[in-house]
This record gives sequence, structure tokens and C-alpha cells, in this order.
Amino acid sequence: AQSVTQLDSHVSVSEGTPVLLRCNYSSSYSPSLFWYVQHPNKGLQLLLKYTSAATLVKGINGFEAEFKKSETSFHLTKPSAHMSDAAEYFCVVRSGGSNYKLTFGKGTLLTVNP
Amino acid sequence: DVKVTQSSRYLVKRTGEKVFLECVQDMDHENMFWYRQDPGLGLRLIYFSYDVKMKEKGDIPEGYSVSREKKERFSLILESASTNQTSMYLCASSSQTEWGQETQYFGPGTRLLVL
Repeated sequence: AQSVTQLDSHVSVSEGTPVLLRCNYSSSYSPSLFWYVQHPNKGLQLLLKYTSAATLVKGINGFEAEFKKSETSFHLTKPSAHMSDAAEYFCVVRSGGSNYKLTFGKGTLLTVNP
Repeated sequence: DVKVTQSSRYLVKRTGEKVFLECVQDMDHENMFWYRQDPGLGLRLIYFSYDVKMKEKGDIPEGYSVSREKKERFSLILESASTNQTSMYLCASSSQTEWGQETQYFGPGTRLLVL
């Protein structure tokens, strides 16, 4: 079984300040973990993914995430928010095994204030 | 670039109608998926297919069926639309060559309103 919990449904930051979007997961097997972003009226786009290589993963647009097995966390960070980062972000887990199923978190809406 | 297209961006249908949502991908991906997205619930998997004519139920298959007659095309069918099927429907595809760590590529979505 696998599940993912995004700890905040809405995060609001000022432009130029750091971003932290929190995600905890559970998985019966070694997981693959993803962050996807959805801009208004657009489809989902992959930001980054963890696949058991380096625990610190760098993605597009300056985002990165750190896999912490002991804390079962995969938090998404960015040092300095930009107005264009305003979007909904989804943390996603995929357990090892024969099934291709992804489990999505409920999403975190990021608002960036000028 | 991977391209996943969906036949309509917006659809309005009446209760009881049969509704077809079409999805086409151009990257020769083996896997295709249908999700629905509702506010506060994230994405929920309806059905997926890992090969032509193969399908598996996701988390919420009730009221839906699917068809995959060709590798590039995956159709979602609402046999008798109901108001609680008003939602955003997202199609995705992925390659089996990345087994265990597949990136899913999403279409732009179809916003369905059932009156």
C-alpha cells in the first residue's frame, strides 16, 4: 500500500522569499517520488523525481527536494520565489512492484505575493 | 517532446447521455491513464492500460469504462452520465522503459459539466 500526505493545502509567500511545500509518504516498497506542478488551466508537468539515486534531487525552475527515509518525507523547496511559481503542486508516490499506479497527494496551492 | 492530446477542452452533457473522452499520445508509450481531478481531492485514478486491449481498474472505476484498440489512443466512456461525474478529466501516458520510475506525461484536460 502507498499513500501521500501534503501537509498544507495552501502556502502563501512573498516574491523573493523561500518556498517550502511539505510532503510525507508511506510505501510498502522502496518508493519513487515525484513532484508535479499545475499552472492555471494547464496540464500537469513534472518538476522532479527521486528514484533511489541521490537523496537531494534538483528539478526545473530552481526547485529541489530532499528524500529523507527516516522521516518518510520529500519536501519541495526553492530559495527565492518568483511570481511565475504560483500554481498547484502535487506530491506523488509510486511503490516498487508490478503495478504502474501513482498515488497523488491532494495538492498545495502556492500563492506568491508581490 | 511528448504530446498528449485530449479531444475536447470543455464539454457540456445532459444526465443519462453516453459520453466519450478521447486521448491520443504520440510517443509510442505503452501505459495510458485516466484520472479525474476535483478540488481538495487531488487526482484519482479511474482506469489504466499497460497494453493494447488491456485495462485495469483504478481507485474509482464505477460508472466508467475504457477502450484501448490502438496503442496511441485511450478512450474513457461514461455509459450514462450523472451530475456527480462533473469534473476535470486528465489523460496521461508513460513508457515502460523507465519501469519503477516512469514519468507520466499529461494532456491539458477536459472539463466536463453534466447538467
